[in-house]
Amino acid sequence: EAQVTQNPRYLITVTGKKLTVTCSQNMNHEYMSWYRQDPGLGLRQIYYSMNVEVTDKGDVPEGYKVSRKEKRNFPLILESPSPNQTSLYFCASWGTGKRETQYFGPGTRLLVL
Amino acid sequence: GESVGLHLPTLSVQEGDNSIINCAYSNSASDYFIWYKQESGKGPQFIIDIRSNMDKRQGQRVTVLLNKTVKHLSLQIAATQPGDSAVYFCAENSGTYKYIFGTGTRLKVLA
Repeated sequence: EAQVTQNPRYLITVTGKKLTVTCSQNMNHEYMSWYRQDPGLGLRQIYYSMNVEVTDKGDVPEGYKVSRKEKRNFPLILESPSPNQTSLYFCASWGTGKRETQYFGPGTRLLVL
Repeated sequence: GESVGLHLPTLSVQEGDNSIINCAYSNSASDYFIWYKQESGKGPQFIIDIRSNMDKRQGQRVTVLLNKTVKHLSLQIAATQPGDSAVYFCAENSGTYKYIFGTGTRLKVLA
């Protein structure tokens, strides 16, 4: 089954404790992205990747890091989480980059205390 | 379930009626548009898309209408069912790697 998976689905942590949210896709897509979703706001892009070892900032990259060492995986790293990073996070992947739909993971609910 | 948005506009329709959900897009250069459905606790799911060289596109029970003059997109759902209850939002793309997402509308189907 074609899918995007994320882990963990739910995470509670404390300020400053490094964490990683994993994302994996099995559709051989070149493009992957991380979004955060907050009440009253549309999905906002954090980082995206056009291929292995190629990443770029989205609209809200501060406080986040990403890596793309393999085509299928695109982890999101919070080196020192803060309460304003409490949010619902989605990973997405798509094939050729432009003018096509993205496939989303199930989401990761993060609470930073 | 997950709270996608606490202040989303809500559309309530009777089961079996047609639903119309609207979206105003922001970038006049956008030429590709997508409608997504997001159920509680799940990620957004693709419903239907349309390119700017079309005004209308139909899928199974869904129709998307595009009015480029006023930068408006609508999603019509025929014979709305309880399983259609979700948050619906549009996305636009102008041929770059960036997609702009709307905030969404919550659809409630009344039995």
